[in-house]
Amino acid sequence: SQTIHQWPATLVQPVGSPLSLECTVEGTSNPNLYWYRQAAGRGLQLLFYSVGIGQISSEVPQNLSASRPQDRQFILSSKKLLLSDSGFYLCAWQSSFRSNEQFFGPGTRLTVL
Amino acid sequence: GQQLNQSPQSMFIQEGEDVSMNCTSSSIFNTWLWYKQDPGEGPVLLIALYKAGELTSNGRLTAQFGITRKDSFLNISASIPSDVGIYFCAGRSNYGGSQGNLIFGKGTKLSVKP
Repeated sequence: SQTIHQWPATLVQPVGSPLSLECTVEGTSNPNLYWYRQAAGRGLQLLFYSVGIGQISSEVPQNLSASRPQDRQFILSSKKLLLSDSGFYLCAWQSSFRSNEQFFGPGTRLTVL
Repeated sequence: GQQLNQSPQSMFIQEGEDVSMNCTSSSIFNTWLWYKQDPGEGPVLLIALYKAGELTSNGRLTAQFGITRKDSFLNISASIPSDVGIYFCAGRSNYGGSQGNLIFGKGTKLSVKP
């Protein structure tokens, strides 16, 4: 069966520091991968998605970037965090072959101070 | 752009009551999904709908894909305290922007009083 992991689970970072959040998927090949941000426990904002290694599409301009160095690895980064980057970051995967169903990881709670 | 309206925003109900929430879109969707999110966790997929008029159940949960393909409903029967959480609808259209990515509603926060 497929599983999706995110780490770290929680992170407290000072303003201006770099960021790296990691997401990995097991049990599937060539998944579509997604990064979402959720503010105040409501609403999911799509940040980035990827349909293959090295391919990244950005949905909104922002202080963040994403990379997909391996088929089942998706990384969310920032060179300098802003206060407004605080939130709950969710990674999701979807089969590229069938269905429109996305499955979410456990999330990372990021607090920027 | 495409928009999803989910209502109600929040519900406070007594244990044992039935719950109903819905989502409407500004365009036709070919997929409707319903998720539940517990505090501090990622959303979990409850029900997926792919055909207009489709009615699907998952235990005490029942969801329907509206005939117009612009709406969907989720009902929870005989609510229990563990039903507490935020319920999200999500839909996908092959038309318009975002290359057919999922569009999410803003969620319905359900509180259940024992």
